[in-house]
Amino acid sequence: DAGVTQSPTHLIKTRGQQVTLRCSPKSGHDTVSWYQQALGQGPQFIFQYYEEEERQRGNFPDRFSGHQFPNYSSELNVNALLLGDSALYLCASSLTLLGLAGAQETQYFGPGTRLLVL
Amino acid sequence: SQKIEQNSEALNIQEGKTATLTCNYTNYSPAYLQWYRQDPGRGPVFLLLIRENEKEKRKERLKVTFDTTLKQSLFHITASQPADSATYLCALEGGNKLVFGAGTILRVKS
Repeated sequence: DAGVTQSPTHLIKTRGQQVTLRCSPKSGHDTVSWYQQALGQGPQFIFQYYEEEERQRGNFPDRFSGHQFPNYSSELNVNALLLGDSALYLCASSLTLLGLAGAQETQYFGPGTRLLVL
Repeated sequence: SQKIEQNSEALNIQEGKTATLTCNYTNYSPAYLQWYRQDPGRGPVFLLLIRENEKEKRKERLKVTFDTTLKQSLFHITASQPADSATYLCALEGGNKLVFGAGTILRVKS
């Protein structure tokens, strides 16, 4: 049973560029959340996708956008990259019970994508 | 303002001892709280979940307590081993999303 997978593992971009990160959830999961983790900090919630729609969003600017596909996989897009966007980007999948927001609890994280913006 | 605080300094303990990590929070009323382990360069791994109506939860050498009055959770690892060395993150349910603390680094010396 494959766990959560993310690609690429590492990425180097320059300021102003755009980046797309990809995530495949654990088999049987329907909800994908994205987090940004700066060095020495805990993961910060970016947004969550369920049924191909953004269900919840953290305190991140509109430069951060996402998408969920019918097979539950997801993409995170970041436009106009800033140096401060350098971080580990984590995808987590979970199962939303009974279609209730917040009812999904345990999240399974992927290995992350390390983004460096120069 | 809302805050989650974990021991900011690394915890160094001797193999075989019990490690106790603290998670304090303010201005949240979480329905549940979780603990994760994270190794360098890897994603967090779920360890335990405790709900607001539970005082204590155990899993093998791990024990979590949850005091909603004190707004605090304690995470214990008994008979600690060098392989337990990692960063431990607490995360609470904050408005239908998980909110993480900054984590505590645990180092177990043999």
